[in-house]
Amino acid sequence: NAGVMQNPRHLVRRRGQEARLRCSPMKGHSHVYWYRQLPEEGLKFMVYLQKENIIDESGMPKERFSAEFPKEGPSILRIQQVVRGDSAAYFCASSPAAGDYNEQFFGPGTRLTVL
Amino acid sequence: AQSVTQLDSHVSVSEGTPVLLRCNYSSSYSPSLFWYVQHPNKGLQLLLKYTSAATLVKGINGFEAEFKKSETSFHLTKPSAHMSDAAEYFCVVTGFQKLVFGTGTRLLVSP
Repeated sequence: NAGVMQNPRHLVRRRGQEARLRCSPMKGHSHVYWYRQLPEEGLKFMVYLQKENIIDESGMPKERFSAEFPKEGPSILRIQQVVRGDSAAYFCASSPAAGDYNEQFFGPGTRLTVL
Repeated sequence: AQSVTQLDSHVSVSEGTPVLLRCNYSSSYSPSLFWYVQHPNKGLQLLLKYTSAATLVKGINGFEAEFKKSETSFHLTKPSAHMSDAAEYFCVVTGFQKLVFGTGTRLLVSP
């Protein structure tokens, strides 16, 4: 069973461009979470999605950021008009069910650099 | 609100000596607590988790942690450090289906 997959692993964008980060959860997992890790900091929750639904987006910046998890295909985190402050590692995690007792399995992350 | 405080940003030990990484939590309800490890430029791996069963939790690679409700602590220990243990360690509490991370403790292991 392949783990959580994220691509690309590294992404370089210039200010003002768009960044698209992809996450394929583990097989059988329908819950996806996105976290952001700024340099020298812990991970911060961004958004929690189930298939075709956003459950909790309380950690998402109000502008320029959006996420989706369509019925078919990977979850996408989209950042429009990137700025230098968006440079970070973005991690996706998945779990087989909801609930605080369920482990979240993490992908290797996408490291976004904004020039 | 759920939160965790990792009391040390860096811990240095010699190979073969004990490891102690400290974590205190705050929770408005009975929490689930985790320790994750992150090696440089890698993803996160679960070391162990506490989910209201036994208060002493054993994890992978010889790590264990003890949940102490009276002290609101969940410290991570290992009897004997190995060079391969050098990494960043995160104490995590669950908060309404999302994970709340501490700021991390970098473990340095010297020969």
